[in-house]
Amino acid sequence: AQSVSQHNHHVILSEAASLELGCNYSYGGTVNLFWYVQYPGQHLQLLLKYFSGDPLVKGIKGFEAEFIKSKFSFNLRKPSVQWSDTAEYFCAVTLNTGGFKTIFGAGTRLFVKA
Amino acid sequence: ETGVTQTPRHLVMGMTNKKSLKCEQHLGHNAMYWYKQSAKKPLELMFVYNFKEQTENNSVPSRFSPECPNSSHLFLHLHTLQPEDSALYLCASSQTASGRGGANVLTFGAGSRLTVL
Repeated sequence: AQSVSQHNHHVILSEAASLELGCNYSYGGTVNLFWYVQYPGQHLQLLLKYFSGDPLVKGIKGFEAEFIKSKFSFNLRKPSVQWSDTAEYFCAVTLNTGGFKTIFGAGTRLFVKA
Repeated sequence: ETGVTQTPRHLVMGMTNKKSLKCEQHLGHNAMYWYKQSAKKPLELMFVYNFKEQTENNSVPSRFSPECPNSSHLFLHLHTLQPEDSALYLCASSQTASGRGGANVLTFGAGSRLTVL
């Protein structure tokens, strides 16, 4: 079955530390890839997306992600985190299995210490 | 406010009750979705509607019954639920359900927190 795996459920970092959150998916066809973020008390919102072209995509607030097709991965990175990055991060993949459906990973809770 | 409004925000119901969750979007989108978010589990896709037609039912039990009267409104009718159905139910919309051209970027509502006693 198709699935999305996020390697870390909880991450704690100090401000200015670098961040990398892993995401792998299991599906051999064409995919669209996303990272969504949910800040405390707020809605889930789009952080960045990949559809085609340059596999290194940049999103809001200094986040970027790299699509490595051979590894079925779409890891999220930020060189220097801030306290305001404390949130839950969700990797998502759109599959075309006759119809399009977007499935999500379990999420990673990031806590940044000031 | 994201443009996707869900009501009620909180709902407590008994196993024999019948209730409905409502979702409305003001974004001019043509696709609407129901997701279930339970603690420590991935968001589970439940239903997808594209131009008012149901295009995905992710093996959801029949005690959950969706209705999409038009592209702006989506309902989830609930009856004879079980305690394990307690969760946050998220509605989302996108331009269309197609993944081509990035038309399926999701805009989420705040969710309806359901507790089944």
